[in-house]
Amino acid sequence: QVHLVESGGGVVQPGTSLRLSCEASGFDFNNYGMNWVRQAPGKGLEWVANMWFGGTSENYADSVKGRFTISSDSSKTTLFLQMDSLRVEDTAVYYCARKYTGFDQWGQGTLVTVSS
Amino acid sequence: DIQMTQSPTTLSASVGDRVTITCRASQTISNWLAWYQQKPGKAPKLLIYKISIPESGVPLRFSGSGSGTEFTLTISNVQPDDFATYYCQQYDTYPWTFGQGTKVDI
Repeated sequence: QVHLVESGGGVVQPGTSLRLSCEASGFDFNNYGMNWVRQAPGKGLEWVANMWFGGTSENYADSVKGRFTISSDSSKTTLFLQMDSLRVEDTAVYYCARKYTGFDQWGQGTLVTVSS
Repeated sequence: DIQMTQSPTTLSASVGDRVTITCRASQTISNWLAWYQQKPGKAPKLLIYKISIPESGVPLRFSGSGSGTEFTLTISNVQPDDFATYYCQQYDTYPWTFGQGTKVDI
């Protein structure tokens, strides 16, 4: 059974940092593309970043490029999103999602609130 | 960036109706177009990938079609469980982008 469980969300002030984690189980983490997708309150979905096959390549949305870093710890099957220089507009539920056919497996999400 | 524009934004339907949601891309994309269903407070669920291939376990009343810049999701014989928000997504060109969503309600 595939499971993705996000953690690390919380309330932080603008300009600070936060690291999200996504613990994966039930599949070989290194054989898929892994993604972060966010959803601001009451808004639509926004793809944030991805990495392929355990870290061979990374891609980012323009809105987070240079501030967010996606990484993985393959030995622990965990995906990370390091978020620096956070802005109010980064407030959202952050989901990790596996890319196979489409984004076929999702976690339950973790809420990040950036507020002064 | 490729902009994905869905229409309509909201759609009122009744059980048994046939509904169609359109997704237009700002430039031609290949086969890398997916549709998702999302219910309040829940993660999205993949319905269709590569324009028209249903994900395993998805009811046959959901179908996708299209090419180039125009794509559609059709729900035939709408069921009570189908009232939700639907998103298209292109994963042809980075940054991958979603449509703004279409809410299907009663």
